[in-house]
Amino acid sequence: DQQVKQNSPSLSVQEGRISILNCDYTNSMFDYFLWYKKYPAEGPTFLISISSIKDKNEDGRFTVFLNKSAKHLSLHIVPSQPGDSAVYFCAASGGGADGLTFGKGTHLIIQP
Amino acid sequence: NAGVTQTPKFRILKIGQSMTLQCTQDMNHNYMYWYRQDPGMGLKLIYYSVGAGITDKGEVPNGYNVSRSTTEDFPLRLELAAPSQTSVYFCASRGRTPLHFGNGTRLTVT
Repeated sequence: DQQVKQNSPSLSVQEGRISILNCDYTNSMFDYFLWYKKYPAEGPTFLISISSIKDKNEDGRFTVFLNKSAKHLSLHIVPSQPGDSAVYFCAASGGGADGLTFGKGTHLIIQP
Repeated sequence: NAGVTQTPKFRILKIGQSMTLQCTQDMNHNYMYWYRQDPGMGLKLIYYSVGAGITDKGEVPNGYNVSRSTTEDFPLRLELAAPSQTSVYFCASRGRTPLHFGNGTRLTVT
């Protein structure tokens, strides 16, 4: 049973426009959420995170929104750039030592 | 600063062979993890360790073993390789920071 779901396997966005990646979770014990970015033949790299006590966190072009009642978070990238083309993983933690639970990823393609 | 280093980058095994995937980190992190990623899937936790001498099973531990004799190293052992273990394996570590990943080992079992 998937506890973290990314229902869009891929997303195509024009350069300069906004990219919105979505993620849903089912486990109410999750209290910390992260987005990782992954290029081919590399490991995932941390992008941005949000604690359950917040509903928004911003870092430059990247903003993560959390809607706890809907168990939904989204990553906004504005403006989208060609270097943003990658697979984005949503991940969640319940605060324990047993790492993160990951979604299946969304492949973002930025078109010129 | 190398971060998390995984070796080898690629490996092809025959069914029934054994091998050890190496992982070392130079950030003095206590927590270390092994994940596997199958095509089109997210990362699944195999084993983790909260410090030297302590290991615990994750979501998909069957067919694997780990040890943690030092803070820096966290090798993953496959004793009898099976085609179902064809995957990309990622090692990660953390202190008070988000998980920091290595670049992975791509393993094919035929």
